[in-house]
Amino acid sequence: KAGVTQTPRYLIKTRGQQVTLSCSPISGHRSVSWYQQTPGQGLQFLFEYFSETQRNKGNFPGRFSGRQFSNSRSEMNVSTLELGDSALYLCASSPNTIRGNSYEQYFGPGTRLTVT
Amino acid sequence: DQQVKQNSPSLSVQEGRISILNCDYTNSMFDYFLWYKKYPAEGPTFLISISSIKDKNEDGRFTVFLNKSAKHLSLHIVPSQPGDSAVYFCAASAGSWSGTYKYIFGTGTRLKVLA
Repeated sequence: KAGVTQTPRYLIKTRGQQVTLSCSPISGHRSVSWYQQTPGQGLQFLFEYFSETQRNKGNFPGRFSGRQFSNSRSEMNVSTLELGDSALYLCASSPNTIRGNSYEQYFGPGTRLTVT
Repeated sequence: DQQVKQNSPSLSVQEGRISILNCDYTNSMFDYFLWYKKYPAEGPTFLISISSIKDKNEDGRFTVFLNKSAKHLSLHIVPSQPGDSAVYFCAASAGSWSGTYKYIFGTGTRLKVLA
C-alpha cells in the first residue's frame, strides 16, 4: 500500500504570495490532518478533515485554510505569505478506526516551504 | 502556552543501554498519548501509544509509562540501538474517544545512540 504523499516537496515563495500544498492519504483513509513544524516549536496542529468536512482546527490565523475532496485528497492554502510561515508542513492520514487503543496517524514526508 | 513539553532537547546514550525520553503535559483533559520517531527528511513514524486508563504499555523494545498524577509520561527504549538515533516527539489528545484527531505535540528530543 502506498504511503502518504505530499507535493511539492520543496517550495520557495515571496512575501505576500499565496501557496497551495497537496496531500494524498493512504488509500482507504478518510481522515487527513495538517501540521506545521518549525524549529523550537515542534509540530503544531493546523486542522483535520474527515469526509470533506473540517472536524478540528488549531490556533492559526484565517490565512491558513484547507479542504478535502471526495477521494480524501486534501489541499492546504496559505494566503498573503509571511516570513514566519517558512516551515515544514506535514500531512497525516488515519483510517479513523480503533485498533486496540490505537489512533495511529501516518505522516507524509512534508513540504518544505521557504518564504523570502 | 506549551501544553506538551519535552524539556530535554537532546540525549546521548551508549548502544545497549536504556534510553529514557520524558514528556510533561499540563492539560488534565488529555486522555491519549503517543510517541513518534522522526528521521531527517521523513515524516514522523508512529511508535507506541497509551490511553489514560493505563499506566504502562509495551511493544518490543519500547515501553511507555504514564503517571497521571504527575502529568508525566516517559518512553523507555531497551536496549538502545544506533538505528534509534532520531528525533522523538510525544503527542497528546483530548476526547480521543470521539475518534477525532487533534494532537498536541511536544518540541521533540533528539536521541543519539553511540556505537
